[in-house]
Amino acid sequence: GVSQSPSNKVTEKGKDVELRCDPISEHNRLYWYRQTLGQGPEFLTYFQNEAQLEKSRLLSDRFSAERPKGSFSTLEIQRTEQGDSAMYLCASSSSRGATNEKLFFGSGTQLSVL
Amino acid sequence: GESVGLHLPTLSVQEGDNSIINCAYSNSASDYFIWYKQESGKGPQFIIDIRSNMDKRQGQRVTVLLNKTVKHLSLQIAATQPGDSAVYFCAEKYSGYSTLTFGKGTMLLVSP
Repeated sequence: GVSQSPSNKVTEKGKDVELRCDPISEHNRLYWYRQTLGQGPEFLTYFQNEAQLEKSRLLSDRFSAERPKGSFSTLEIQRTEQGDSAMYLCASSSSRGATNEKLFFGSGTQLSVL
Repeated sequence: GESVGLHLPTLSVQEGDNSIINCAYSNSASDYFIWYKQESGKGPQFIIDIRSNMDKRQGQRVTVLLNKTVKHLSLQIAATQPGDSAVYFCAEKYSGYSTLTFGKGTMLLVSP
């Protein structure tokens, strides 16, 4: 399945954090979503192979995502703010096949900014 | 129904009952719909999906119904079990858009 690390991260306001996602190995698409308590996941960004094809307006310039070799991805948040506290979910899918829209999610990284 | 802040719509049922969870989607151009189950502290787990050229699809103990006229999606769970207790999200994909857009979720509570 999709693996995310760390599962929990507590940091202080102003610090930088990096979250990691390892997608299902044969999947070429990778997505980052953010979820706050009581809400559905909100789209942040999407990669096909190593190319970042789409970014949400939610992704401020403090956020940067990479997928350097088209396999794992990292989401870095610089100068964290308390409003960044959320569950960060990674998902992957394959662009091939009949149900390429189906996303497979990891268990998320719960980020708490104090 | 609508949820405000932390207050998710909640459906409480008894074990063995059939459950129906409803979802109003937003975009008439959406061509793919999917239901996810999310347990506390975990990521969303796929349940069932349906394309806009269908109005019904069945899985194991679950059925999804799509009414494009009123932009409504429902998830029916037969013989609900305590293990079905979770938050259920519907999501839609707009034609030509690259990813899923999620609704607000419904909490299902199943009592033994």
